[in-house]
Amino acid sequence: DGGITQSPKYLFRKEGQNVTLSCEQNLNHDAMYWYRQDPGQGLRLIYYSQIVNDFQKGDIAEGYSVSREKKESFPLTVTSAQKNPTAFYLCASSISGGNTEAFFGQGTRLTVV
Amino acid sequence: GNSVTQMEGPVTLSEEAFLTINCTYTATGYPSLFWYVQYPGEGLQLLLKATKADDKGSNKGFEATYRKETTSFHLEKGSVQVSDSAVYFCALLDTGRRALTFGSGTRLQVQP
Repeated sequence: DGGITQSPKYLFRKEGQNVTLSCEQNLNHDAMYWYRQDPGQGLRLIYYSQIVNDFQKGDIAEGYSVSREKKESFPLTVTSAQKNPTAFYLCASSISGGNTEAFFGQGTRLTVV
Repeated sequence: GNSVTQMEGPVTLSEEAFLTINCTYTATGYPSLFWYVQYPGEGLQLLLKATKADDKGSNKGFEATYRKETTSFHLEKGSVQVSDSAVYFCALLDTGRRALTFGSGTRLQVQP
């Protein structure tokens, strides 16, 4: 089945530790995205990538980093510089160009204690 | 910049009631518009979309019409079911960076 896989579903980390969230897609999409969702709020864009080896900061990039070395993969690292890392993180992908929708993974709930 | 405003929830309805969730947007030009649905603990699923003015998107009994005069994309359903209980997000496609901008979401609770 084609889709987007995020792992793990739940992640716990101690304050001050970096943590990397995985996102893999087999839809052959060029574009990939990371969003953050907090309770009662909409999704906010962290980083996005329209093509391999290129990515741009979204609206809330501070304290996060990404890489895009392969078309299928777009891992997100939550660094110790992120002030409030506890949140639900969603990865998405889409066909680059046109008016097409984004497809979402099931999300990773990160809790920092 | 671009933004999407949705009515605040929760919206609580009885089964078979009529549903409207309001959505208005601010954007340069005429972006594509979307409604996504999120069930508890899951990612988002596309519900419907419209890519130009006066387009009507529809799926599973839900409908929304792209109104450029009022910059709106209100979601409607004639008869809701308990299984429609979820959070609904309105979104637009930012034509500059080609990424979705979302509203804050509206929680729908349908009671039997």
